[in-house]
Amino acid sequence: GESVGLHLPTLSVQEGDNSIINCAYSNSASDYFIWYKQESGKGPQFIIDIRSNMDKRQGQRVTVLLNKTVKHLSLQIAATQPGDSAVYFCAETYSGGGADGLTFGKGTHLIIQP
Amino acid sequence: DAGVIQSPRHEVTEMGQEVTLRCKPISGHNSLFWYRQTMMRGLELLIYFNNNVPIDDSGMPEDRFSAKMPNASFSTLKIQPSEPRDSAVYFCASSYREKLFFGSGTQLSVL
Repeated sequence: GESVGLHLPTLSVQEGDNSIINCAYSNSASDYFIWYKQESGKGPQFIIDIRSNMDKRQGQRVTVLLNKTVKHLSLQIAATQPGDSAVYFCAETYSGGGADGLTFGKGTHLIIQP
Repeated sequence: DAGVIQSPRHEVTEMGQEVTLRCKPISGHNSLFWYRQTMMRGLELLIYFNNNVPIDDSGMPEDRFSAKMPNASFSTLKIQPSEPRDSAVYFCASSYREKLFFGSGTQLSVL
């Protein structure tokens, strides 16, 4: 899950297993959510997004789930590969807020074990 | 498309020196953002521009920090004088609607 302290939460999974990364967002007015992946030495990269009129959206090997009732977002990665090792950030904003309204979580470090 | 291009990738300088970070956004994107990333604070928005105009600089930590965007394809972030606590990774990003596209960042070390 998201960190509220100094330490980045870490999730360690075996290669080939599925992983679930969680995020609790704070603003009930947020209606657009994005997951970013940041590999070592690189900038965050867009993975997948979801709007509040949906509760699930699927991409290639990734699925994002949104539970507006409890303000919870999750990213599921199927059949994890070594290249999935990275820090994953959720970000939230509201309609009309644009990218300047994006608020990022602290991130979760995903480690794929061989 | 080459993406957002930042330079330099790494900068090592001594306290008190001026540092200038550079960014070329993705062509056609009308908003540009400067972020700072540290382990302690995560990603912090410093300033953003819309159509080359600074809109919100409330995230700029001190007067030592300044940013300019003289045209749609270039922006600078300057720190003068630099201090050790400015050491961080500085990211530039440009946006299409709500989606941010980040550069590879500049790793700044102030000794």
